[in-house]
Amino acid sequence: SQQGEEDPQALSIQEGENATMNCSYKTSINNLQWYRQNSGRGLVHLILIRSNEREKHSGRLRVTLDTSKKSSSLLITASRAADTASYFCATEETSGSRLTFGEGTQLTVNP
Amino acid sequence: SAVISQKPSRDICQRGTSLTIQCQVDSQVTMMFWYRQQPGQSLTLIATANQGSEATYESGFVIDKFPISRPNLTFSTLTVSNMSPEDSSIYLCSVGTGGLQETQYFGPGTRLLVL
Repeated sequence: SQQGEEDPQALSIQEGENATMNCSYKTSINNLQWYRQNSGRGLVHLILIRSNEREKHSGRLRVTLDTSKKSSSLLITASRAADTASYFCATEETSGSRLTFGEGTQLTVNP
Repeated sequence: SAVISQKPSRDICQRGTSLTIQCQVDSQVTMMFWYRQQPGQSLTLIATANQGSEATYESGFVIDKFPISRPNLTFSTLTVSNMSPEDSSIYLCSVGTGGLQETQYFGPGTRLLVL
């Protein structure tokens, strides 16, 4: 079964607005990763945050991790139409290097 | 990062037949994984392809249905056997260097439709 639960399942915003997606998980993890998928194609790795980190930035992306609540958020600032995609969180559990994916959030950025 | 290619990129198959999907990496990697993504859903790990030994399958997936080969550190195949319409999915391979805290890189996927 999928460990990660993401919300919202779908998000529609206007270009220039910020988009926030949340991910919750159940077990102890080494790290949490966020991926983007465009129209059922391959996944593109966005950012990895380790279990001892609380916040990480990469360009317009900001990821937070709260291990006490077993949750993470992905913030995309100043969104663009090209950000339209599905976003997945994935956790690497402490038991090994396998990734367990969340259900994903479909983001639509309207021009 | 690793560059990963998959063949075929898509296929339409008749039920009862089998399809072999190839995954090629441009560098030697320790870990190779196969995932399935059913329509509108997230990714589910099928198995870890081990070089020189049998693949490690996740719960719900068996070798008879999804035989996997890993002849070297840059190549793997996944066969979807005796297909049914329920096997219609995107199949993705990914690679990692094997250590913890490592990013996995994904291939472009193979989109399979079974009629």
